[in-house]
Amino acid sequence: DQQVKQNSPSLSVQEGRISILNCDYTNSMFDYFLWYKKYPAEGPTFLISISSIKDKNEDGRFTVFLNKSAKHLSLHIVPSQPGDSAVYFCAARSNFGNEKLTFGTGTRLTIIP
Amino acid sequence: NAGVMQNPRHLVRRRGQEARLRCSPMKGHSHVYWYRQLPEEGLKFMVYLQKENIIDESGMPKERFSAEFPKEGPSILRIQQVVRGDSAAYFCASSAYKQSNEKLFFGSGTQLSVL
Repeated sequence: DQQVKQNSPSLSVQEGRISILNCDYTNSMFDYFLWYKKYPAEGPTFLISISSIKDKNEDGRFTVFLNKSAKHLSLHIVPSQPGDSAVYFCAARSNFGNEKLTFGTGTRLTIIP
Repeated sequence: NAGVMQNPRHLVRRRGQEARLRCSPMKGHSHVYWYRQLPEEGLKFMVYLQKENIIDESGMPKERFSAEFPKEGPSILRIQQVVRGDSAAYFCASSAYKQSNEKLFFGSGTQLSVL
């Protein structure tokens, strides 16, 4: 039972354009959402997060949008840069799930110069 | 300025052998988490430990897998009698506080291959 879903395994975007990565979840107990970025042969690194009491959080080129009614969140990267090429994981946490994160399967983003 | 250190980076075992994966958290971190990534899947939570205590092991298979985080030394994830299905990347993460996922730092992982 995949509670966090990233339905696009890969995405290619031209440098300078906007990258939009999508994530859907099924567990209504999730109240905190995060995006992690992962380069090959490295561990994931935290990128940006959003609490369920908000619908938008922005940090520089990265913005995360949360639509609670649709159980959907998205990560926008603008403008996209070659260094953004990586695998992006969406993750969610429940207040009742101790500290553990539930991850999606990831989206491989390739920025085309 | 060491981050989360995992070793070995790559581990090859034959079926039936034991695998020991080590994780040294960042200095000052007392919370350790183990995640497993199977091919083509996301990271899946296995276990959450604090020093000398297992806090949540709900993601650990009931048999053959164990984890510890002793008072001194690294956290160890131990897999006995490995099978091919155990082949995966095992990531350790550490944090200084509870509920601090933004401050959760991951190691580079151990890639376990079972022949």
